[in-house]
Amino acid sequence: QKEVEQDPGPLSVPEGAIVSLNCTYSNSAFQYFMWYRQYSRKGPELLMYTYSSGNKEDGRFTAQVDKSSKYISLFIRDSQPSDSATYLCAILDAGGTSYGKLTFGQGTILTVHP
Amino acid sequence: DTEVTQTPKHLVMGMTNKKSLKCEQHMGHRAMYWYKQKAKKPPELMFVYSYEKLSINESVPSRFSPECPNSSLLNLHLHALQPEDSALYLCASSPLTGRASPLHFGNGTRLTVT
Repeated sequence: QKEVEQDPGPLSVPEGAIVSLNCTYSNSAFQYFMWYRQYSRKGPELLMYTYSSGNKEDGRFTAQVDKSSKYISLFIRDSQPSDSATYLCAILDAGGTSYGKLTFGQGTILTVHP
Repeated sequence: DTEVTQTPKHLVMGMTNKKSLKCEQHMGHRAMYWYKQKAKKPPELMFVYSYEKLSINESVPSRFSPECPNSSLLNLHLHALQPEDSALYLCASSPLTGRASPLHFGNGTRLTVT
């Protein structure tokens, strides 16, 4: 079992739709949760970062963490064609011998069509 | 444009060549990272430098040799690579390793080994 599971999609939605992206993880020691967006031929761009259970909102993006279920989500409201990219969840293990190691999900390919 | 700059953007090298990848950041970050990303896969950690000292080596073959000359610069020296080493090599930095330190990535060097 992978430490972080993410449905690779692909996911195709019409412009304006609400998009839900999800990851599950297995290691209870994981403490810090991030979402990155990666456009083709570019590096991952940090979208959201949180370390507590609950919701964090930034513009059209909402990150949700449920530590009891080991489940994290990213919601995109009013999706735009420019949101078409690969979305990667990433979890930081801040303890033990893996201090500072970021573990990524497989990434979900999202296409928003006009 | 990102605040982590990688050069060159593209590199083609033969299996007997020696080349270097360069990474620079001026955000005052004290942790720097090398990741390798194959097509349609998430980034995989290779090395972590913390305060200019190597803190994590993810059992990377010795044909990859990292170097951190100062807190702003990170190099990856390449020698006798194999075609399967062709990938996108990403540099990242963060204020500190671990706690409350999301990673900021560059746009990578796309390496092709012939």
